[in-house]
Amino acid sequence: DAKTTQPPSMDCAEGRAANLPCNHSTISGNEYVYWYRQIHSQGPQYIIHGLKNNETNEMASLIITEDRKSSTLILPHATLRDTAVYYCIVRVWGFGNEKLTFGTGTRLTIIP
Amino acid sequence: DVKVTQSSRYLVKRTGEKVFLECVQDMDHENMFWYRQDPGLGLRLIYFSYDVKMKEKGDIPEGYSVSREKKERFSLILESASTNQTSMYLCASSIRGNEQFFGPGTRLTVL
Repeated sequence: DAKTTQPPSMDCAEGRAANLPCNHSTISGNEYVYWYRQIHSQGPQYIIHGLKNNETNEMASLIITEDRKSSTLILPHATLRDTAVYYCIVRVWGFGNEKLTFGTGTRLTIIP
Repeated sequence: DVKVTQSSRYLVKRTGEKVFLECVQDMDHENMFWYRQDPGLGLRLIYFSYDVKMKEKGDIPEGYSVSREKKERFSLILESASTNQTSMYLCASSIRGNEQFFGPGTRLTVL
């Protein structure tokens, strides 16, 4: 699986959009970008994933650049409960490719 | 909603004890996983299972074994606990090829 690079920490004001970047310059054509987050003392939580088109769900939006070498997770209206470590992971989707490789992620702190 | 439960949130054991960590999922998922999480090292995969009685080694299987006798239950076994196995242990499950759902974790301390 391709490696990802994320900033170690970020702050965001409550109510503003939080934009979390991820670099995955060695991503291959069949690898998806996944985002998980881990709130303190809990297990990681799946947020969203995508291949090349932008994706949106009830939690967040995922913007993937045209060359697919980077992506941004957007939390549109951050709340204090969004304070967590956010992990960007790339992996091939589908049966036989079950393994997730977690890096050290970005620690996002939402400021009141 | 998918629910993944782990038998204990906190566990304290002594060196040399045999330790069982249990994980149960209620969504009929084929895949189940055991990770450990340590500061500065992130989550590391110990073992996973893609079917009953099937298991695959992850990145750090040494000192651990697993058991999957029923589809909903995946057990992690520390045959002889050591202090370097003090860690947060996380279980996850998934439908084949899809996103993983995690349990709340078990914080194990080995004295």
